[in-house]
Amino acid sequence: QKEVEQNSGPLSVPEGAIASLNCTYSDRGSQSFFWYRQYSGKSPELIMFIYSNGDKEDGRFTAQLNKASQYVSLLIRDSQPSDSATYLCAVIRAGDTGGFKTIFGAGTRLFVKA
Amino acid sequence: EAQVTQNPRYLITVTGKKLTVTCSQNMNHEYMSWYRQDPGLGLRQIYYSMNVEVTDKGDVPEGYKVSRKEKRNFPLILESPSPNQTSLYFCASSFHLRTGFTDTQYFGPGTRLTVL
Repeated sequence: QKEVEQNSGPLSVPEGAIASLNCTYSDRGSQSFFWYRQYSGKSPELIMFIYSNGDKEDGRFTAQLNKASQYVSLLIRDSQPSDSATYLCAVIRAGDTGGFKTIFGAGTRLFVKA
Repeated sequence: EAQVTQNPRYLITVTGKKLTVTCSQNMNHEYMSWYRQDPGLGLRQIYYSMNVEVTDKGDVPEGYKVSRKEKRNFPLILESPSPNQTSLYFCASSFHLRTGFTDTQYFGPGTRLTVL
């Protein structure tokens, strides 16, 4: 079992719909949670981060964190064709000998159809 | 302009020929990290550094070395590259928050390495 799991997709939604992306993690010591977007051939770029249980909204994006269920999600409202990309979930936890390790999921490919 | 730079962007080499990929950031970030990205496997952390002279292994450190002699630079060294190290490599940096959390990571443009 991978430490951070995402459905690889592809997830296809029509323009204007809500896209729901999910991520589960196995280490209960995980402290902070990030969603990155990566266009083909480009570097990952931050969409949102969340540290506390509950919802966090930023424009069309909402991140949800449930530490009891070890689950973090990203909702994209009013999806646009420009949202078509791979979405990466990243989890920060304490390293084995100190410091903070970053564990990424394999990513979910999202297609928004015009 | 705040950025993370990597060089070279593309590199084709042969098995066993030592190489270094440089990474530099101009944001005074404490935390720096190297990742490799392979199809179906996502980004996997190779090494990370919490600050100058402080480095630690990520999930896939075998065959790689790093050093952090200056805050802005974090080179990745492959002393004897092998074909299974053919991959897309990203360097990233972030602030390390005093609360214990690590802030947003900013990624370099990537280095595509092919080992023949």
